[in-house]
Amino acid sequence: GQNIDQPTEMTATEGAIVQINCTYQTSGFNGLFWYQQHAGEAPTFLSYNVLDGLEEKGRFSSFLSRSKGYRYLLLKELQMKDSASYLCAVMDSNYQLIWGAGTKLIIKP
Amino acid sequence: IAGITQAPTSQILAAGRRMTLRCTQDMRHNAMYWYRQDLGLGLRLIHYSNTAGTTGKGEVPDGYSVSRANTDDFPLTLASAVPSQTSVYFCASSDSGSGGTGELFFGEGSRLTVL
Repeated sequence: GQNIDQPTEMTATEGAIVQINCTYQTSGFNGLFWYQQHAGEAPTFLSYNVLDGLEEKGRFSSFLSRSKGYRYLLLKELQMKDSASYLCAVMDSNYQLIWGAGTKLIIKP
Repeated sequence: IAGITQAPTSQILAAGRRMTLRCTQDMRHNAMYWYRQDLGLGLRLIHYSNTAGTTGKGEVPDGYSVSRANTDDFPLTLASAVPSQTSVYFCASSDSGSGGTGELFFGEGSRLTVL
């Protein structure tokens, strides 16, 4: 079966950097997505990687290296408002999205 | 700008009752989706529609039906609700079919409790 693995929960300090990893086993690969979801709210799109490399959007970066097995979301200069769940999703060969259960990120002062 | 709107936001329902969750988008997106989100699990696709007039089954379609009479509306119906359908339901849309490479825009969710 298809599977997305990411840490269930992570804790970090305000102002620090955190890296959230995502591993996957899917039938094919047509891109990796990251979404942010605050408690009780809808997921919102953060980034998309289909080619190896780095996608940067302000304090958030997503990195993909399929050959080296690196897939992660990097959050810099953490702020309290970054406390949320971060969802990794992979698009398989049928262009269907397979979702991870999400990583709950807790930011402490 | 509304984006994508779901109704109701929350509902408690007796088992065996019929329920329709409404979803409307004003972005003229071709593709629409219904997901359920349960604690400890990733979003699971129930049904999808790549364009008006067509629908498809997702990962967990049993007990649910959808219709896509026009571009804007994509209602989800539970014909006879069961407690295992207690979940948070998200409607989403994108401007590419079959998920494509376009980002998904989500509604605010409908929290359904079946007793």
